[in-house]
Amino acid sequence: DQQVKQNSPSLSVQEGRISILNCDYTNSMFDYFLWYKKYPAEGPTFLISISSIKDKNEDGRFTVFLNKSAKHLSLHIVPSQPGDSAVYFCAATSALYGGATNKLIFGTGTLLAVQP
Amino acid sequence: GAVVSQHPSRVICKSGTSVKIECRSLDFQATTMFWYRQFPKQSLMLMATSNEGSKATYEQGVEKDKFLINHASLTLSTLTVTSAHPEDSSFYICSARVLAADYNEQFFGPGTRLTVL
Repeated sequence: DQQVKQNSPSLSVQEGRISILNCDYTNSMFDYFLWYKKYPAEGPTFLISISSIKDKNEDGRFTVFLNKSAKHLSLHIVPSQPGDSAVYFCAATSALYGGATNKLIFGTGTLLAVQP
Repeated sequence: GAVVSQHPSRVICKSGTSVKIECRSLDFQATTMFWYRQFPKQSLMLMATSNEGSKATYEQGVEKDKFLINHASLTLSTLTVTSAHPEDSSFYICSARVLAADYNEQFFGPGTRLTVL
């Protein structure tokens, strides 16, 4: 049972335009969401996160939006740059998952290609 | 951010042999480390949570006798795939976090590609 879903396996965007990556979840107990970026042969690196008490968090070119009623979050990258080309994973967790251990449930990832 | 290393980065072994993968936190002490597995075009699946000095907690469906985890120090956790079979071929990634850190303080290693012939 895939609790976190990224339905678009890939996305291609022109440099300078906006990239929108989507993520849906099914478990209403999730209360914290994260986006990770992953290059080939490297581990995921943290990008941005959002708590369920917020609906938007912004950090430079990256903005995450959370729609709790729809159980949907999205990552906006604007303007997109060729260096943003990577696989993006969304992840979710809950305070119910053992407190300090913070088990992460990952989506399947979206490969973003930013064309120069 | 903090650095987590994994060794080896790639390993090919024969069916029936055991393979050990090391995960090290290089510049911080990690009381908790996580082991994930990723199959092609699938998400990272948590296999087990490893706490220093205690037994690992395995996720449902993960065989603890097949995937032995040892977290003997605050900077090292090892995953041993015992009697490996071709279906164990996968990408194994560890992560490490610091006690009482925020949710986003989970640092990932570069992963180990295991191929079992």
